[in-house]
Amino acid sequence: AQSVTQPDIHITVSEGASLELRCNYSYGATPYLFWYVQSPGQGLQLLLKYFSGDTLVQGIKGFEAEFKRSQSSFNLRKPSVHWSDAAEYFCAVAPFSGGYNKLIFGAGTRLAVHP
Amino acid sequence: DGGITQSPKYLFRKEGQNVTLSCEQNLNHDAMYWYRQDPGQGLRLIYYSQIVNDFQKGDIAEGYSVSREKKESFPLTVTSAQKNPTAFYLCASSVPGQGAEQYFGPGTRLTVT
Repeated sequence: AQSVTQPDIHITVSEGASLELRCNYSYGATPYLFWYVQSPGQGLQLLLKYFSGDTLVQGIKGFEAEFKRSQSSFNLRKPSVHWSDAAEYFCAVAPFSGGYNKLIFGAGTRLAVHP
Repeated sequence: DGGITQSPKYLFRKEGQNVTLSCEQNLNHDAMYWYRQDPGQGLRLIYYSQIVNDFQKGDIAEGYSVSREKKESFPLTVTSAQKNPTAFYLCASSVPGQGAEQYFGPGTRLTVT
């Protein structure tokens, strides 16, 4: 079955430290890949997406993600975290599903930032 | 500014009552979606609509119903048949086609007691 795994439920980092959030997917072919961010009680905002081409993708707010086909991973990174980055992060895949735009989400990683 | 609005932000109902959640978009998107979010479970698709007057069940449609009479609007009714309706509900929209970015509304938190 198609699935998305975010192994870390909670992560805490210090402000200014680097960040990597992990995402693995289970799917036969390379799907479309996304990272979304959600502030408490809010909707989701797209950080970045990967369709094809360069495996290092740049997004908004200084985030980037690297697609590794051999590991079925799409990890999100940021070199220096700001307190405002505290939020929940969701990895999602859009497998080729015969026409409609299906998104499968991971369970999310909640990021806390210490001053 | 274009976007998606959901109302109300918070909704309280007694068990056994149907309740309708509003979702309106002015992005001119053909496709619209309803998701349910529970702690630790990510988002799960309830219903989706690719075009006006057409909609399909998602992964957890039981106890829910929708309509799509206008392009801009995709209301969700949580019926009394939904066994555990308390959750955060998110509406989204996109242009048609696989892999298109979905734009999300701010959500409605429904509490049923």
